[in-house]
Amino acid sequence: DIQMTQSPSTVSASVGDRVTITCRASQSISSWVAWYQQKPGKAPKLLIYKASSLESGVPSRFSGSGSGTEFTLTISSLQPDDFATYYCQQYNSYPGTFGQGTKLEIK
Amino acid sequence: QVQLQQWGAGLLKPSETLSLTCAVYGGSFSSYYWSWIRQPPGKGLEWIGEINHSGSTNYNPSLKSRVTISVDTSKNQFSLKLSSVTAADTAVYYCARGGVDTAVVTSRYFDLWGRGTLVTVSS
Repeated sequence: DIQMTQSPSTVSASVGDRVTITCRASQSISSWVAWYQQKPGKAPKLLIYKASSLESGVPSRFSGSGSGTEFTLTISSLQPDDFATYYCQQYNSYPGTFGQGTKLEIK
Repeated sequence: QVQLQQWGAGLLKPSETLSLTCAVYGGSFSSYYWSWIRQPPGKGLEWIGEINHSGSTNYNPSLKSRVTISVDTSKNQFSLKLSSVTAADTAVYYCARGGVDTAVVTSRYFDLWGRGTLVTVSS
């Protein structure tokens, strides 16, 4: 299976900050990466697919980039609603696998 | 507005079979693959398997020997059975829709999720 490693595991930031989360794949996965936001007690919500495509209805402050083995999710200006846990997922091959998550906390 | 509604038993004893069903309301059923994903309490996400309207399935090799996913196209529903459960199978189980912006050789991302069902395995 392809391993997805996210960093950092936790990040503390303030409203208005720019935040970047990194995801590294154990082998090249082209651009077949998705990013999700999950709040406590809720299902994950798709933010980004194919590394940089913004899902419909997701605010434009979210962006994704990368290809091959290194990918980033950037939130350009944090809003109060953005404090949550974020997961990357590779879908280059079966089984699709997720990163361990990055918890975004209020500083 | 497409919605996924899921249900099933929430408390099982070791060695029993987990059974969950997910119904799709308000959209196309036949155009997508439909997945089950689980999340142990406080932990990350694990894809279990998927099915399409014609019954074509793919399973996670780590669970394949215990998993069966089936489909009922007359009701726009798909179901998960996981046999011989243990405490390690305690998790929130989600049904989800596979995204379509993929390639023939890739697996899928998930653009629509059910609310999740907590399944606890305890003697």
